[in-house]
Amino acid sequence: DVVMTQSPLSLPVTLGQPASISCRSSQSLLFSDGSTYLSWFQQRPGQSPRRLIYKVSNRDSGVPDRFSGSGSGTDFTLKISRVEAEDVGVYYCMQSTHFITFGQGTRLEIK
Amino acid sequence: QITLRESGPTLVKPTQTLTLTCTFSGFSLSARGVGVGWVRQPPGKSLECLALIYWDDDRRYSPSLENRLSITKDTSKNQVVLTMTNMDPVDTATYFCAHSYYSSLLDVWGQGTTVTVSS
Repeated sequence: DVVMTQSPLSLPVTLGQPASISCRSSQSLLFSDGSTYLSWFQQRPGQSPRRLIYKVSNRDSGVPDRFSGSGSGTDFTLKISRVEAEDVGVYYCMQSTHFITFGQGTRLEIK
Repeated sequence: QITLRESGPTLVKPTQTLTLTCTFSGFSLSARGVGVGWVRQPPGKSLECLALIYWDDDRRYSPSLENRLSITKDTSKNQVVLTMTNMDPVDTATYFCAHSYYSSLLDVWGQGTTVTVSS
């Protein structure tokens, strides 16, 4: 299995400040078709996961542009330019280059 | 609008077989590229993808659970069924189903159904 490692696991952030979450994979996520299948999900308390980003940097419909994704190979980052109260929850990276595996999750809270 | 809803027993005994149904609307599982996957989440833990099935009946399973899982589809009923054999207390989790389209995986999720394994 491809192991996805996120850091930090806990992220206290002041409202209006930026936040960044790192995700590293144990193998390259570059697929033979030239695409890299790395997604980011948000899970608010008591809710189902919601996909935010797919193929590293593509925002899903309705996702605010304060969310952005970047990276390549084995290193990826999710950035929130200015954290809002509704961003509280757990964030997961997911690779789907080699079946599907998720990271452990990063819990974002308001400081 | 795509919606999915999971259903099944809330409590199963160890060694029993779990059968979960995902009933969906807003898409057809006979349309080219469409798929449905199952993901579970033990209490307080991360997510684990169990299986996916595609429009052409291609099926993919988690390598670690493959010998316990079976995923099937009923296109006429807009349903996908997941069975998991030999249930154990460690299988206690919320089970989600989610829509996929080609390589755009798990883009819309159901609300999940909680399953407890206990005697």
